[in-house]
Parts: sequence; structure tokens; C-alpha cells
Amino acid sequence: AQSVTQPDIHITVSEGASLELRCNYSYGATPYLFWYVQSPGQGLQLLLKYFSGDTLVQGIKGFEAEFKRSQSSFNLRKPSVHWSDAAEYFCAVGARNAGNMLTFGGGTRLMVKP
Amino acid sequence: KAGVTQTPRYLIKTRGQQVTLSCSPISGHRSVSWYQQTPGQGLQFLFEYFSETQRNKGNFPGRFSGRQFSNSRSEMNVSTLELGDSALYLCASRQDSAAGYEQYFGPGTRLTVT
Repeated sequence: AQSVTQPDIHITVSEGASLELRCNYSYGATPYLFWYVQSPGQGLQLLLKYFSGDTLVQGIKGFEAEFKRSQSSFNLRKPSVHWSDAAEYFCAVGARNAGNMLTFGGGTRLMVKP
Repeated sequence: KAGVTQTPRYLIKTRGQQVTLSCSPISGHRSVSWYQQTPGQGLQFLFEYFSETQRNKGNFPGRFSGRQFSNSRSEMNVSTLELGDSALYLCASRQDSAAGYEQYFGPGTRLTVT
């Protein structure tokens, strides 16, 4: 069974600083990988996805993520954080033979200092 | 296109009652998945429906059930509610084309069991 670990429960960064959110997954083959963002009281918005090909993927809102097979990681990055990026971020893995079932990490809550 | 819609957005029920939540997918999407989000357990997959058939089911008791109609709208039902069923219930839809694997989430239904 697949699993996802987000080691950082909370992260605080200053506005304008760079950001990296960590995600490690466990899966026997190449998975589908996703990053979602959730603002308070809202559903999940897809930031970016990795299916195959180029291991550096670009997403919305200036986010990018890099798939590293050797490290079983899919870390999310942003060069300059804006106050509006404060939210909870979820990494998810989808198995290629399990339909639409996504397994989510526990989430990382991002706070942005002015 | 309109996004995924869920009704009602908020619900308060008493232990022992049953509840039905509704999800309307994005037009053209034939796959609907349901997830439960709680502070303690995080985001957990409940089940997935495609063309009115349940394709996958998560590890939840039989009190949790669902169905999908011919227009792809889906409902989930929870019988004999327990306090632990208090959660945000998220619905996600997907076109289910072979080329993509993106799920789009609705805003959720916040269920409170007292």
C-alpha cells in the first residue's frame, strides 16, 4: 500500500522568502504525485501534478515541484512567498492501478510573516 | 465550466441519525470520489463511483455508503451517526480520460454530530 509523509506539520516563513515543503512517498512503482492547497473552510485546489516525463513540474501560483525517484520525494517550492500563500498544503500519491484513490500526507500548515 | 458542487455546505445531526450528502461533478466528468477529512485522521478515501458503479472502497464501516446516478451526480449516506463521524466530507470529480488523472474537489460538507 502506498503512503505519504509530510515531515513538517507547521512552517513559518517571511513574506518574500523562499519556500520548500517536503513530501516523501512510499510506493512500489512510479506513482502519480500531486500537491493540493486548502484555505480555511475551503476544498482542495490542485497546484500541480506529476505523471511522467520531466521531473520538474510547474504549477499555478508560481509553485514548482521536483520528483526525485532515488529519494522517493516530491518537494514543493516557491521562490518568493506571498502573504496569500498562507494555507495548508497536502501532498498526495495515486497508484496507477487503483482508480482515483488518492493517499494524502498529513499536511503542512504554512504561515507567512509580514 | 462550473466546479464541483456539494450540498448542503453545513449540517448538524444527532447521534444515531442518518445523513445524506450530495455531490454534483463538473459537467462531463463521470467519476466521483468521496473523502473524509478530520483533524485526527487527515484525509481518507471513502469510495469512488464511475458510471453508477462503485470502483474502489476505502477502509470504512458499512454505515458509510454511496451511489451514483445516471447524470453522474453522487450521494453518500451515513447511517447511525457517531460523534466520530464529525468531519469535512469532500467530493472530487474526474473526467476519467486515459490521458489525465486530475481530480477536482468541491468545497465540502461540514458535518457536525452532537
